[in-house]
Amino acid sequence: GAGVSQSPSNKVTEKGKDVELRCDPISGHTALYWYRQSLGQGLEFLIYFQGNSAPDKSGLPSDRFSAERTGGSVSTLTIQRTQQEDSAVYLCASSSGLVRNEQFFGPGTRLTVL
Amino acid sequence: EDKVVQSPLSLVVHEGDTVTLNCSYEVTNFRSLLWYKQEKKAPTFLFMLTSSGIEKKSGRLSSILDKKELFSILNITATQTGDSAVYLCAPGSNFGNEKLTFGTGTRLTIIP
Repeated sequence: GAGVSQSPSNKVTEKGKDVELRCDPISGHTALYWYRQSLGQGLEFLIYFQGNSAPDKSGLPSDRFSAERTGGSVSTLTIQRTQQEDSAVYLCASSSGLVRNEQFFGPGTRLTVL
Repeated sequence: EDKVVQSPLSLVVHEGDTVTLNCSYEVTNFRSLLWYKQEKKAPTFLFMLTSSGIEKKSGRLSSILDKKELFSILNITATQTGDSAVYLCAPGSNFGNEKLTFGTGTRLTIIP
């Protein structure tokens, strides 16, 4: 079946602009995660959605970052007033939410803030 | 704060060699450790280890978890150029259903 998809694959924006990144999880997966990976760094957790529960936003680096998940499926990560340090690859993952299961990652969106 | 340290940071070997990648961790309420392979952007899942001393095998790849000493190793035998990637480990407290804390990874390069 189809895996996790993300769009756009690449985004170049100017400092101060807002951007929206989209994630389509695997159909039926109740859990959705956003991570970012800066150059040469490991994956940094941003936010986690599980079913209808309140999202775990503990990894969001500032109030310029927000995310929503509509209808328990598609998720959008929004970065307002982008800064150069926001440049990174933003990865989305989903999992079935069952006990003992792995997270499946999308191809990511490479964000470059000029 | 959870900590994950992977070593070495990078490794270059010739095709056919055997490599051992290390992951040490400090995680509250540890329950599982996941290994991922990242070739370009999307990490792909390799193993989930939950019990100490259990060795997981998948072809030429195997992994061991030591919950007492808080580390895991990933072994790759008879390496091939397709093994070139960044290998990431991520310990967690809910068998994968949670935010994962990833190490910075080991960049493995296989020379033909």
